[in-house]
Amino acid sequence: GENVEQHPSTLSVQEGDSAVIKCTYSDSASNYFPWYKQELGKRPQLIIDIRSNVGEKKDQRIAVTLNKTAKHFSLHITETQPEDSAVYFCAARLMGGKLIFGQGTELSVKP
Amino acid sequence: EAGVAQSPRYKIIEKRQSVAFWCNPISGHATLYWYQQILGQGPKLLIQFQNNGVVDDSQLPKDRFSAERLKGVDSTLKIQPAKLEDSAVYLCASSSGQGHEKLFFGSGTQLSVL
Repeated sequence: GENVEQHPSTLSVQEGDSAVIKCTYSDSASNYFPWYKQELGKRPQLIIDIRSNVGEKKDQRIAVTLNKTAKHFSLHITETQPEDSAVYFCAARLMGGKLIFGQGTELSVKP
Repeated sequence: EAGVAQSPRYKIIEKRQSVAFWCNPISGHATLYWYQQILGQGPKLLIQFQNNGVVDDSQLPKDRFSAERLKGVDSTLKIQPAKLEDSAVYLCASSSGQGHEKLFFGSGTQLSVL
């Protein structure tokens, strides 16, 4: 079936600490995995993505890792800042182009 | 570059009424998506268009929801009649559809059904 599981649903960290959000997907043919950040009342914004032929990608304080064998991928945010507080969604793209989203993780960074 | 435009921004209706949402994708984007986002959940795909053809509408409740993209540009999503559980944010997104997977979302229409 088509399913993306995301954990945890809420995450609270101190400013400067790291945050890790994990997702698993069910369709082994999935080939593209984006992460979106959604602030309250705003649209989801793409923050980083990874394709199935790559194991890791980094962009400043944000990194994503992909384990195709285990069918899971993770978002890592280092040196967290209060402005990182938002809801983060992972997603997996099926071969037909359909993008399936996880349930979301509400990240709270306490100053 | 202009983003994905949606209107209205907010809509309040009573159950059993009808409502329509409009979306104008980024210029040149062939693929257009309508997502439903219920409070506290991730976006759920309702329908995906490639130009003016439907690619996937497997999760569209076709007894009450309809969508069209007649000229392969703008799109409208309609609900008739609305139910209480249709209260959600309806997000439109587009992508270039030429091997580029990145989706760009509009600001959404927040629908409240009373």
